[in-house]
Amino acid sequence: DAGVIQSPRHEVTEMGQEVTLRCKPISGHDYLFWYRQTMMRGLELLIYFNNNVPIDDSGMPEDRFSAKMPNASFSTLKIQPSEPRDSAVYFCASRGQGWYFGPGTRLTVL
Amino acid sequence: EDQVTQSPEALRLQEGESSSLNCSYTVSGLRGLFWYRQDPGKGPEFLFTLYSAGEEKEKERLKATLTKKESFLHITAPKPEDSATYLCAVQANRRGSTLGRLYFGRGTQLTVWP
Repeated sequence: DAGVIQSPRHEVTEMGQEVTLRCKPISGHDYLFWYRQTMMRGLELLIYFNNNVPIDDSGMPEDRFSAKMPNASFSTLKIQPSEPRDSAVYFCASRGQGWYFGPGTRLTVL
Repeated sequence: EDQVTQSPEALRLQEGESSSLNCSYTVSGLRGLFWYRQDPGKGPEFLFTLYSAGEEKEKERLKATLTKKESFLHITAPKPEDSATYLCAVQANRRGSTLGRLYFGRGTQLTVWP
């Protein structure tokens, strides 16, 4: 199994630009999670899906953030417009016996 | 408020020097406690899940234990390749959610030197 796949691995953008992060969960896992990791706050849950349906989005910081899961094998996290304080590593995870994390996308907003 | 606290924040061990990492938690309705290892520039790697007090899990030089208020990750005779950040997370009940949320501690950064 290839594990959770995320793209891009690194993203550098300017403030105000739209950013789209992508995730392919492990096949057969019916839960998908988006986390953000920073030095200040550690790992924070942003949103999670069950069977492609958003269940808990209370961790999404504000309306600039949105997430979709159009099918069982793909999800996106979009930030529009991006701000420097959004700079972080964004992880996607899917759930089987435990939560399995992808390699992350390091986002830098200048 | 649900909380997960890990200690120490950083730990330096000489190769072969056994020690323990602590994860204390205050959550309403614990459904599971997870240990992860995270290497620099990578995502957390799943190690163990513990569900009830008294439960123990082992993997190579690592052993995880669970009580009603805390979990320990014991590292026996560590090697330099065990150097990483170890994260603890708890899955807690949450109203309206069948799954519950996963709350992470800030981690313990372990360095094992030869």
